[in-house]
Amino acid sequence: QSALTQPRSVSGSPGQSVTLSCTGTSSDVGGYNYVSWYQQHPGKAPKLIIYNVNQRPSGVPDRFSGSKSGNTASLTISGLQAEDEADYYCCSYAGNYLDVFGTGTKVTVL
Amino acid sequence: EVQLVESGGGLVQPGGSLRLSCAASGFAFSNHWMHWVRQGPGKGLVWVSRIKDDGTYATYADSVKGRFTISRDNAESTLYLQMNGLRAEDTAVYYCAREEISLADWGQGTLVTVAS
Repeated sequence: QSALTQPRSVSGSPGQSVTLSCTGTSSDVGGYNYVSWYQQHPGKAPKLIIYNVNQRPSGVPDRFSGSKSGNTASLTISGLQAEDEADYYCCSYAGNYLDVFGTGTKVTVL
Repeated sequence: EVQLVESGGGLVQPGGSLRLSCAASGFAFSNHWMHWVRQGPGKGLVWVSRIKDDGTYATYADSVKGRFTISRDNAESTLYLQMNGLRAEDTAVYYCAREEISLADWGQGTLVTVAS
């Protein structure tokens, strides 16, 4: 159960697009279409923003989109806004009713 | 409105035990798998455990297997995490989360500090 690999930090200016990666293995990210993404602001609980690779829960802006290719999942934030500055974590089902989170990416809005 | 309220955290010595609770409301608790996720100080999220809706099946991360036990009381809409043999590396905020198409709802967390 090794953590999925995410870049430590990503930054962009307001209005720009940024893409966060989440790399796992064929036993987790590559093996199932059960990748989710969570946004966490400082001192707050995580919030689900993407599930099943590319589905958005109701209420999540369509600026957030997800995709997957092989063992790597990605989260794209289009039209970056100040309130998007937060930590982002991917999570994947890893079989046998086990889950694994990514190492987390800090998004900074310049 | 879904509400998840964790409690039971605190300071405990290495080797000690603690039981966390998560009181759920606003949804049909007995219909949902539930999870515990933890976050060490300044660190990332780590999945800890999940339990089936009827309480008959549970899984654990390798780091806590054999030391932690997840359970639930559907009549009381409460989730538990019994933590034994605590280590310094178990120091974290512990969140409970409701599973519905992933971890749809989270509590605010309870802090567990393992130190002498």
